[in-house]
Amino acid sequence: KNQVEQSPQSLIILEGKNCTLQCNYTVSPFSNLRWYKQDTGRGPVSLTIMTFSENTKSNGRYTATLDADTKQSSLHITASQLSDSASYICVVRVSGTYKYIFGTGTRLKVLA
Amino acid sequence: SQTIHQWPATLVQPVGSPLSLECTVEGTSNPNLYWYRQAAGRGLQLLFYSVGIGQISSEVPQNLSASRPQDRQFILSSKKLLLSDSGFYLCAWSVPGTGGPGAVTGELFFGEGSRLTVL
Repeated sequence: KNQVEQSPQSLIILEGKNCTLQCNYTVSPFSNLRWYKQDTGRGPVSLTIMTFSENTKSNGRYTATLDADTKQSSLHITASQLSDSASYICVVRVSGTYKYIFGTGTRLKVLA
Repeated sequence: SQTIHQWPATLVQPVGSPLSLECTVEGTSNPNLYWYRQAAGRGLQLLFYSVGIGQISSEVPQNLSASRPQDRQFILSSKKLLLSDSGFYLCAWSVPGTGGPGAVTGELFFGEGSRLTVL
């Protein structure tokens, strides 16, 4: 069964601190993996995309990693800001289909 | 630039009443269109997707239906709402040729969502 699991479920950190969110997936065949940021009551917005051959990709203070062998990905946020408070969703696309498998997300709260 | 509009933003409906959520995309032609539902504590669930006018694929058998009367318009409907239909509904689009089988990328661009509460 295609699944995407994320941890932790929720996280509280102080402004300026770093954090790492985890994503484990069992999706086959694998096409790509994206991290989305979803503000409360809004639609998700893509942060990064990782294809099979990519290990690391950065987008400003966000750095995503992918280990295709262990089927794990992480999203590292550096020097967190209050505006980083949101849910972060890991999404894996099933190759050869229109299907995207969504994780349940990690709810991050950054405190001043 | 491409934009996606979804409405209404919030809706409170009694059980048994009809539903119509509308989504339109601007700035692109023949987009792939999707309807998702997001329940609390669960990942987004694909309800319908469409690769062209009148072409609708359903992923989950349920009380809902979808239609695509125009190239960039996608409508989610129900004749009689159930309590279990409550949730956050998201419309999304992807660039044609990138979101389908064989494509590598296929970023999903989401609308702002519609919060449906069935009482």
